[in-house]
Amino acid sequence: QSVLTQPPSVSAAPGQKVTISCSGSSSNVGDNYVSWYQQLPGTAPKLLIYDNNKRPSGIPDRFSGSKSGTSATLGITGLQTGDEADYYCGTWDNSLSAVVFGGGTKLTVL
Amino acid sequence: QVQLVQSGAEVKKPGASVKVSCKASGYIFTSSGLSWVRQAPGQGLQWMGWVSGYNGNTNYAQKFQGRVTMTADTSMRTAYMELRSLRSDDTALYYCARGDGNKGGFDYWGQGTLVTVSS
Repeated sequence: QSVLTQPPSVSAAPGQKVTISCSGSSSNVGDNYVSWYQQLPGTAPKLLIYDNNKRPSGIPDRFSGSKSGTSATLGITGLQTGDEADYYCGTWDNSLSAVVFGGGTKLTVL
Repeated sequence: QVQLVQSGAEVKKPGASVKVSCKASGYIFTSSGLSWVRQAPGQGLQWMGWVSGYNGNTNYAQKFQGRVTMTADTSMRTAYMELRSLRSDDTALYYCARGDGNKGGFDYWGQGTLVTVSS
């Protein structure tokens, strides 16, 4: 059981938009920065979004992040088949004094 | 460019220990810490702890306290993670990642080291 809650799966057609939610509490999402990671099959995770809504160099602006209260959201527009991957949110938890992750969301581009 | 290169796969028996290395390049080693994150087969990500590249300070997840030791050798630009008293449920891919997981996230990741625990 993960501390952060994500939907197990989402799907959408190529070119469409999808959002992935990440729900936490006041001790984690509500009080700390949220990051998002993309894990393509058989590869290491890759940072997509950091500090709630910032994109590292090289990440296209099709990817966006937002946070409101104790929930965060990853948005992906102009879906491509290459976006099929597992997506994880992560943040610090003040109560656990640990980094916590969501259980991951599998994105299928139909 | 920043690179984190990990040591190779390991097979261990229950009760044994494993030590995984993570060699860093492309940045000032002492300016960042390194975290260790593991992923059991078909499962999600689990943070194990962090070691400072500056002074070797550590912060371990409670789940691994007493069973894990993380160190950083500044002369070798290498971080190490040793896990003791291995059990079958420690079978996982172990990743090192730059950062402490809060501000800035984990911006670079190693390729992962598969540790298999089997009798």
